[in-house]
Amino acid sequence: DAGITQSPRYKITETGRQVTLMCHQTWSHSYMFWYRQDLGHGLRLIYYSAAADITDKGEVPDGYVVSRSKTENFPLTLESATRSQTSVYFCASSDNAGPETQYFGPGTRLLVL
Amino acid sequence: QKEVEQDPGPLSVPEGAIVSLNCTYSNSAFQYFMWYRQYSRKGPELLMYTYSSGNKEDGRFTAQVDKSSKYISLFIRDSQPSDSATYLCAGTSNFGNEKLTFGTGTRLTIIP
Repeated sequence: DAGITQSPRYKITETGRQVTLMCHQTWSHSYMFWYRQDLGHGLRLIYYSAAADITDKGEVPDGYVVSRSKTENFPLTLESATRSQTSVYFCASSDNAGPETQYFGPGTRLLVL
Repeated sequence: QKEVEQDPGPLSVPEGAIVSLNCTYSNSAFQYFMWYRQYSRKGPELLMYTYSSGNKEDGRFTAQVDKSSKYISLFIRDSQPSDSATYLCAGTSNFGNEKLTFGTGTRLTIIP
């Protein structure tokens, strides 16, 4: 199916564990983004990527690692999960042709115990 | 101070009412302003966007930007229960819309 997908949709993990959230888009969009959404903070940008092998930090990058070896995939890794990383994570993609081309995935709800 | 401020609500209005949702921003470099709608447990979807100051209308929705006062508004006419959602405003200085800066979102409920 065309679109942007995230997996898993729900994840429970423990403090200190490594967790990887997956994002896949089928449009060949050049830009991809990771946001986290928390009450009182709204959506905050974690990392973004302008193309394969090009990534850059957003507003809240600490504790996260990203990679982009293929245009369609943009995984987000929590190297050592902390309780403060409990959040809803959204991936988005865009072809840099205007705001109407940015689409969000359905989100991953992560609980760190 | 957050770059984009938005009253989180919640806001409840009767069906058919006109709804006014507002944001303020502090970054003078912002040129593009967006409104996203987010249903419960879903990702945000773009509702409307405007460039610089002025109004933009799309059906029952009107987006308004006043750069002199750094004020962003979304008006919903003839509100419907299906409009019940969280509405997020966002701004960016870049046409490629990287690094969107979002408000916290306003939760809206339309009462039948």
